[in-house]
Amino acid sequence: QKEVEQNSGPLSVPEGAIASLNCTYSDRGSQSFFWYRQYSGKSPELIMFIYSNGDKEDGRFTAQLNKASQYVSLLIRDSQPSDSATYLCAVRGTSYGKLTFGQGTILTVHP
Amino acid sequence: DTGVSQDPRHKITKRGQNVTFRCDPISEHNRLYWYRQTLGQGPEFLTYFQNEAQLEKSRLLSDRFSAERPKGSFSTLEIQRTEQGDSAMYLCASSLEVGQFFGPGTRLTVL
Repeated sequence: QKEVEQNSGPLSVPEGAIASLNCTYSDRGSQSFFWYRQYSGKSPELIMFIYSNGDKEDGRFTAQLNKASQYVSLLIRDSQPSDSATYLCAVRGTSYGKLTFGQGTILTVHP
Repeated sequence: DTGVSQDPRHKITKRGQNVTFRCDPISEHNRLYWYRQTLGQGPEFLTYFQNEAQLEKSRLLSDRFSAERPKGSFSTLEIQRTEQGDSAMYLCASSLEVGQFFGPGTRLTVL
């Protein structure tokens, strides 16, 4: 079993729709959870992070965490073609240590 | 631009040669991380420094790989006797608090 699992997609949504990206993790000791966006040929860019169960909103993005189910998700509202990218879920066990990434989900937003 | 910088951006080498990459973190960031990413996969952790101390090294990292951060500022990653399987994007990230911020990466091709 992989430590962090994501559906590789591709996930295709129409412009203006809500894109829902999911991630599960195996280590119950994980403390913080991150979402990165990676455009083709570029490096990962931090979108947001979450520590506590529940929702955290930042603009069009909402991260959701359920530690009991070991599940993290990212919702993108009003999806735009510029949101088309690979979305990486990452998990961290200790406060400042390494990130363990999933393989990423490819999102395509079509006009 | 005060982001993470990496040099070189691209490196082509022949199998068996040694290569060295450099990473300059965001100036006030005391933590520095090296990751490796291959096509279709998320970044994979290699090693991590807090100031000049190397605090963690991946068990997957062979003894051909060595990293330094001598003055707690820039870091170098050296790969000795390169193999074709070392071909990848080598990413550096730096952090002060929660988030890790990635540089543009060095793409290594081993022929």
